[in-house]
Amino acid sequence: DQQVKQNSPSLSVQEGRISILNCDYTNSMFDYFLWYKKYPAEGPTFLISISSIKDKNEDGRFTVFLNKSAKHLSLHIVPSQPGDSAVYFCAASGNQFYFGTGTSLTVIP
Amino acid sequence: DVKVTQSSRYLVKRTGEKVFLECVQDMDHENMFWYRQDPGLGLRLIYFSYDVKMKEKGDIPEGYSVSREKKERFSLILESASTNQTSMYLCASSSRPSGPYFGPGTRLTVL
Repeated sequence: DQQVKQNSPSLSVQEGRISILNCDYTNSMFDYFLWYKKYPAEGPTFLISISSIKDKNEDGRFTVFLNKSAKHLSLHIVPSQPGDSAVYFCAASGNQFYFGTGTSLTVIP
Repeated sequence: DVKVTQSSRYLVKRTGEKVFLECVQDMDHENMFWYRQDPGLGLRLIYFSYDVKMKEKGDIPEGYSVSREKKERFSLILESASTNQTSMYLCASSSRPSGPYFGPGTRLTVL
C-alpha cells in the first residue's frame, strides 16, 4: 500500500508563475520529509527537506509546507523557470525512505 | 563533493542471464539502497542495507538479491533476468538524518 502519494501525475505552469506540487502521506510516525527533482536519464537530486517539528522551510525559490494534521505537504516554486521542468518526488522517512509516484512539472516559457 | 557511482549507465541483457549492477559511494555512509523507477510507479525499494553484510528486503525484492561485502559497495544481482525487470535502477546512500544521495542510474533492458 502506497504510504506516500502524489495524486497529480503532471502539472503545467507559465514561466514566472507559482508552481505548487502536493503530497499526502498516511503514517503519522514519519518525522522527516524531502523533495527530490529528477531529470530524464539522471538520478534524483535532493531539493529541500522539512522536519516534522516545523511547518515551513524555505530555500531560495523553493518552500516546503507541512500540515501534520492533514498529513499533507506541498512544494512551492516561485517564480517558476523553464529549467524547473522535471519530475518531482516527495519522500518521507520512517524505518526506510518512502517515495511518491512523482509529478512531472512543465514550465512553459 | 558527494558521489554515488554506478557501474553502467545503459545495459542490454537477454532473458535468463545473470546480471550484476554495482554501486560505490565515497561518503562513508552506513545505509545503501537499490530502487527501481518505472513510469507511473515512482521509486520502489528493492533492497537496502544498514551495514556491511546486512541486508533488508524492500517492497519488491522478488527476483533480486544483493551483496554488501564492503561499506562503500552495494551490488544488486538479477539471478535470471526477465523482461519485466526492464527498468531504471537507482542506487543511493544515506547517513541519518539526511535523505539519500542517488547515483546516475542504470537503464537496463532485458530482451
